[in-house]
Amino acid sequence: DAGVTQSPTHLIKTRGQHVTLRCSPISGHKSVSWYQQVLGQGPQFIFQYYEKEERGRGNFPDRFSARQFPNYSSELNVNALLLGDSALYLCASSLAGQNYGYTFGSGTRLTVV
Amino acid sequence: GENVEQHPSTLSVQEGDSAVIKCTYSDSASNYFPWYKQELGKGPQLIIDIRSNVGEKKDQRIAVTLNKTAKHFSLHITETQPEDSAVYFCAAKMGSARQLTFGSGTQLTVLP
Repeated sequence: DAGVTQSPTHLIKTRGQHVTLRCSPISGHKSVSWYQQVLGQGPQFIFQYYEKEERGRGNFPDRFSARQFPNYSSELNVNALLLGDSALYLCASSLAGQNYGYTFGSGTRLTVV
Repeated sequence: GENVEQHPSTLSVQEGDSAVIKCTYSDSASNYFPWYKQELGKGPQLIIDIRSNVGEKKDQRIAVTLNKTAKHFSLHITETQPEDSAVYFCAAKMGSARQLTFGSGTQLTVLP
């Protein structure tokens, strides 16, 4: 079985641009969460989506948005990129919204120059 | 909100020795405590987890202990091997919360 898949694996963007990151959860998992991991730190929670609705949001600006599609895949969008947005963006899926078994993908490495 | 502190930040052990990583959490409502291993260029991989109704859990060479009164939990790796070298993260989650709160990570190096 495929795990959590994320695309692209690497991305370089210029300040002020917009980026879209994609995530496909494990088959059967209905919940997707997004985390930002800055180099040398632990992942920080951005969003959780369950059954296509936003169920939780971390302390991130409105430049960050996300959505979940009927097939439970998800997109994370970041507008007006800043240098500080450079990080590894991780997607995690789980069976349900408050399930304990979170499985992470390998992430998208975003570099903003 | 929840705050998780992890130490040490780096740990070097000789192959075959044991390694212990410790975390403390702030919110007594937290009831789920997973540990993740992250290798270079990869996402975090769940290696073991424990819930607050259990004091200890073991899986082969890996064990986790939880002290709810003191609000701390620890990861124990016995008979370490070079392939155990990685960054290890602890995390905590309240039952009603949507997110995991992670510690800052421990770089474990197992020296051959």
